[in-house]
Amino acid sequence: DAGVTQSPTHLIKTRGQQVTLRCSPKSGHDTVSWYQQALGQGPQFIFQYYEEEERQRGNFPDRFSGHQFPNYSSELNVNALLLGDSALYLCASTDGAVGPFYGYTFGSGTRLTVV
Amino acid sequence: AQSVTQLDSHVSVSEGTPVLLRCNYSSSYSPSLFWYVQHPNKGLQLLLKYTSAATLVKGINGFEAEFKKSETSFHLTKPSAHMSDAAEYFCVVRILNNNNDMRFGAGTRLTVKP
Repeated sequence: DAGVTQSPTHLIKTRGQQVTLRCSPKSGHDTVSWYQQALGQGPQFIFQYYEEEERQRGNFPDRFSGHQFPNYSSELNVNALLLGDSALYLCASTDGAVGPFYGYTFGSGTRLTVV
Repeated sequence: AQSVTQLDSHVSVSEGTPVLLRCNYSSSYSPSLFWYVQHPNKGLQLLLKYTSAATLVKGINGFEAEFKKSETSFHLTKPSAHMSDAAEYFCVVRILNNNNDMRFGAGTRLTVKP
């Protein structure tokens, strides 16, 4: 049973460009959350998707957007990249019905470097 | 609002000695609390969780944590450190809203000396 799969593992972009990160949740999970982890810090919540809709959003600008597909996979899009967007982006999935009680399963992340 | 504070940014122990990683929480409700571990260049792995059942929670790899409401603490312990325990540890609280998001502490880096 595959866990959470994220692609790509590493990415280098130039300031001002746009990037799309992808996430396939663990089998049986229907809820996907995205986190940004800057170097030396804890993960910060970006947003969560359930039933193809954004349910809640953290304190991130509109440059950060996402999408969830019918198969529950998800994308994170970041427009007009800034140097400060360089971070490890983590995807986490859970079963929406029981997730609160069992936590989330995390992927290994996508390391984004903006130059 | 729910939040967690990890009291130590870095803890260093010798192999075979006990580990104590401290976490205090703030919550208006009975919280759900978690400890996650992150090895270098890896994702986050759930160590253990507290969800209002037994206050002493046992996790993987010999770790355990005790929920103490009177002290608003959820410290992570292990009787004997192993070299493979060297990693970043995060205390996490579940946010009580419709989406049940999680808020992470700043993390504690555990170093294990031979």
